[in-house]
Amino acid sequence: GAGVSQTPSNKVTEKGKYVELRCDPISGHTALYWYRQSLGQGPEFLIYFQGTGAADDSGLPNDRFFAVRPEGSVSTLKIQRTERGDSAVYLCASSIGQGFGGQFFGPGTRLTVL
Amino acid sequence: DQQVKQNSPSLSVQEGRISILNCDYTNSMFDYFLWYKKYPAEGPTFLISISSIKDKNEDGRFTVFLNKSAKHLSLHIVPSQPGDSAVYFCAATGDSSYKLIFGSGTRLLVRP
Repeated sequence: GAGVSQTPSNKVTEKGKYVELRCDPISGHTALYWYRQSLGQGPEFLIYFQGTGAADDSGLPNDRFFAVRPEGSVSTLKIQRTERGDSAVYLCASSIGQGFGGQFFGPGTRLTVL
Repeated sequence: DQQVKQNSPSLSVQEGRISILNCDYTNSMFDYFLWYKKYPAEGPTFLISISSIKDKNEDGRFTVFLNKSAKHLSLHIVPSQPGDSAVYFCAATGDSSYKLIFGSGTRLLVRP
């Protein structure tokens, strides 16, 4: 499959635990984005990578959230001390460059914090 | 404050008829608008877009209309097919073309 893949597809954790969500973008895509979709809402921008660097992390809700993309391909979204309000579907998207219409989304990771 | 609003959470249409999905926005700096379609357990898929310099863009059965003065856009699907049943998201972007601002979505059901 040549699409964006995300693992795990589902993650259940307990309040206060640490979680990592992984995104494998489409090969050759230099731009990578993370969004969060809460129940009944549209996706909400979290962070944008161009290559290895976070070009815009203004959407991260607080310092418990952090994302990396060390080699300019795979990205990991890390959430420390999870809270019940973090429960949502976390979507990853990639594009060839900085392009809106060309953002290809993965299926998402559904995170449930008990 | 929501910058992109989809005020109809759901819409039901008979197969073969027209589906009209609406979207309103508040930020006059938005200059590019997109519609995404989402099936359950899948990520959103790009459907059609329109630049603020146009008022209409057509792609097969899908047409998007933009009314800048009213800050309103709509997606028309003609004729509607059962396979069109999905959640449709309107999104907008401005100077930072990478940051999409999404509406809350409209669930479309096309009845056979």
